[in-house]
Amino acid sequence: GQNIDQPTEMTATEGAIVQINCTYQTSGFNGLFWYQQHAGEAPTFLSYNVLDGLEEKGRFSSFLSRSKGYSYLLLKELQMKDSASYLCAVSPPGYSTLTFGKGTMLLVSP
Amino acid sequence: GAGVSQSPSNKVTEKGKDVELRCDPISGHTALYWYRQSLGQGLEFLIYFQGNSAPDKSGLPSDRFSAERTGGSVSTLTIQRTQQEDSAVYLCASSPTSGRGETQYFGPGTRLLVL
Repeated sequence: GQNIDQPTEMTATEGAIVQINCTYQTSGFNGLFWYQQHAGEAPTFLSYNVLDGLEEKGRFSSFLSRSKGYSYLLLKELQMKDSASYLCAVSPPGYSTLTFGKGTMLLVSP
Repeated sequence: GAGVSQSPSNKVTEKGKDVELRCDPISGHTALYWYRQSLGQGLEFLIYFQGNSAPDKSGLPSDRFSAERTGGSVSTLTIQRTQQEDSAVYLCASSPTSGRGETQYFGPGTRLLVL
């Protein structure tokens, strides 16, 4: 089975840095996705990690440790528009579907 | 280009009625997925189509739920005899193939409310 845990909500200040953690226990693993979802909108792709290490993409970076079953999404220079839910999702082997965590609601305040 | 589209955007129905939700994937995408998102819950996989292969129905919560995909493009999710617990946002996604690491592109969802 799959079990994915991430904090329910986080708050941060505009211009700051925030790290959203995700831990997973799965019977197999192909890779880990992060999606961003603004209220009332569709999830949009942020990053995909399959190997250990840090993937940097502009203000957003994603880290993966397969041995620890752990990932984080790092958001730098926070902007108000970054207020959204951030979804961690695991791609299990042999399947093309994704198993999602419940999401972390990030609120960025001035 | 056009993204994934879904209709209707909102649907209110009475308990016991049947509903049909439609998804138009991105042109050329062979893989299509349906998910359900309930309040405070993560996205829950429902069903997956890949080309002409038999769909993966392992996520459907009951036999009241069914889906089809005509011509390898448009998909319809049908919920029969709706119950209040079916109230959720139903999201459709498509991807170019079903390969490992393939990004899924989501539609805006259909918000279903069963009274």
